[in-house]
Amino acid sequence: GQQLNQSPQSMFIQEGEDVSMNCTSSSIFNTWLWYKQDPGEGPVLLIALYKAGELTSNGRLTAQFGITRKDSFLNISASIPSDVGIYFCAATIQGAQKLVFGQGTRLTINP
Amino acid sequence: ETGVTQSPTHLIKTRGQQVTLRCSSQSGHNTVSWYQQALGQGPQFIFQYYREEENGRGNFPPRFSGLQFPNYSSELNVNALELDDSALYLCASSFGQGPTGELFFGEGSRLTVL
Repeated sequence: GQQLNQSPQSMFIQEGEDVSMNCTSSSIFNTWLWYKQDPGEGPVLLIALYKAGELTSNGRLTAQFGITRKDSFLNISASIPSDVGIYFCAATIQGAQKLVFGQGTRLTINP
Repeated sequence: ETGVTQSPTHLIKTRGQQVTLRCSSQSGHNTVSWYQQALGQGPQFIFQYYREEENGRGNFPPRFSGLQFPNYSSELNVNALELDDSALYLCASSFGQGPTGELFFGEGSRLTVL
């Protein structure tokens, strides 16, 4: 079945550093999304990408929809303490009702 | 805050029991999806409801069932609970039937099965 491979599983960085994480699949998707989940909360949408090659920014966050439609990456610049949490990639295909999620990247920031 | 509310937030059940989880969707949203998130994993799609009918289902057995009401709120029912059903159950609302992926999640109901 469809599966998203997200890496890295966890990251330990210093405040102010840049962060990069990615998601790959053997399947083609029409939409890629990035969500963030804080402890005790549901996932919150950060960025949605709808076209292959699309590069979209949301403040210090930048995400790209891979040309092959099989991958996406998320970059966070100049990390701050509130960036701590679990980041999930998710994807969907046209006509499907479901989102497929990656396993998540847990981000920890040392002040 | 997304406006999607779920209840209860936490509950403990024993094997074989039944549970009902509730969700109120965000104002203006007519579609509700349910996801199961096991510890340390990403959410897994259970099913979606649109116009009070099931509109897509993931790889979950029939003992997982749901309802959507005219006001677009929804229930998830799980019968004959098993230990592996212990998870965070997330409700997400959206507008329309299309899979844009822009889901608005509630905080979830954490179910523990003993």
